[in-house]
Amino acid sequence: GENVEQHPSTLSVQEGDSAVIKCTYSDSASNYFPWYKQELGKRPQLIIDIRSNVGEKKDQRIAVTLNKTAKHFSLHITETQPEDSAVYFCAALASGGGADGLTFGKGTHLIIQP
Amino acid sequence: NAGVTQTPKFRVLKTGQSMTLLCAQDMNHEYMYWYRQDPGMGLRLIHYSVGEGTTAKGEVPDGYNVSRLKKQNFLLGLESAAPSQTSVYFCASRTSGSQETQYFGPGTRLLVL
Repeated sequence: GENVEQHPSTLSVQEGDSAVIKCTYSDSASNYFPWYKQELGKRPQLIIDIRSNVGEKKDQRIAVTLNKTAKHFSLHITETQPEDSAVYFCAALASGGGADGLTFGKGTHLIIQP
Repeated sequence: NAGVTQTPKFRVLKTGQSMTLLCAQDMNHEYMYWYRQDPGMGLRLIHYSVGEGTTAKGEVPDGYNVSRLKKQNFLLGLESAAPSQTSVYFCASRTSGSQETQYFGPGTRLLVL
């Protein structure tokens, strides 16, 4: 099955700086890569996603890059703000072929220092 | 439009007791999922369903059963609860086809003593 590794487990950055979270996956059949933000006690919320036919996607201060050859994808947050503090999860999905369901990384606790 | 809802929000069980968690969605989604979230482990897939009357095992299915008798509902059952099943349980759903975005419910916090 799929295996998703996520680094770092904790990331502390100064407000206004950029944050980068990296993930690798093992299954070359994976073709959908979402990123979720989870605040304490809340449900995971999708913040951005990318499909395997695209190398980069951007939405305001958030961007995701995908390198299919190396099987890794990254989340980039620029001009970080206090409300960006949360746990971020990457995930991978290999849709079709009979199996389904996301495989998640173990999460990154992002701390924005004022 | 409530999206994905889960009941109950919180439950305490004793070892060996049984219970059923209910997930309901009003978005006419075909696919539904049950995940569990443990500290430092991310979310792990328990079971899923690709349509009414169908279910399949995920990564960590042992100790759980599921049923999808109606398209809008996905039930997760624990026949004999164990302390290792203490966790937060999230349900999710999505439409079929190329739209892979999953929408999560608010979660059920389960404590097994």
